[in-house]
Amino acid sequence: SYVLTQPPSVSVAPGKTARITCGGNNIGSKSVHWYQQKPGQAPVLVIYYDSDRPSGIPERFSGSNSGNTATLTISRVEAGDEADYYCQVWDSSSDHQVFGTGTKVTVL
Amino acid sequence: EVQLVESGGGLVQPGRSLRLSCAASGFTFDDYAMHWVRQAPGKGLEWVSGISWNSGSIGYADSVKGRFTISRDNAKNSLYLQMNSLRAEDTALYYCAKVVGYCSSTSCYVYFDYWGQGTLVTVSS
Repeated sequence: SYVLTQPPSVSVAPGKTARITCGGNNIGSKSVHWYQQKPGQAPVLVIYYDSDRPSGIPERFSGSNSGNTATLTISRVEAGDEADYYCQVWDSSSDHQVFGTGTKVTVL
Repeated sequence: EVQLVESGGGLVQPGRSLRLSCAASGFTFDDYAMHWVRQAPGKGLEWVSGISWNSGSIGYADSVKGRFTISRDNAKNSLYLQMNSLRAEDTALYYCAKVVGYCSSTSCYVYFDYWGQGTLVTVSS
């Protein structure tokens, strides 16, 4: 089955840039989506189709996808960005949705 | 406003059954595929099952295949998950999620644009 690997944690100072990676075999050929989950809350879509932002999501959130790595970038990080982040793709070989292992973003 | 409200969770003994429901409102339910995603305590997200708008296409994670059955009633704007032969490892918060996107002949471009708040299933003796 297809595996998506994320770093367990990323720490960033307020105002700086956080980059969260999502690694998978030839992930650049797939469409990657990202979700933010704050403690005790349901996940919220922050990026879809690699780099599109839903309405209401700040421009500080951006995405890219190439080769074996997709990246979620959070610019000018704020305390409110502290959360778990998950990437997601559709796996053609199994016809299953697949989530990444998740990354906890801590704002210092 | 899109709303997804799950219900039916609770404490159940191993080997027993439980049926989850998800009541949808604020959108044309029968236009969209719907999925179930679960999250074990302190763990990440795990896709469980999905169903197309007309129930013509259904999929399950390997971990639940043969034990869980997804269904929907478009007349009632509701999604269901029948869970049989429950195991301790099925303990999780179960979310229903609305799907947006499309599939071509070779690939799918789908994502979850709205999620419910989840219903907790605890499997324990």
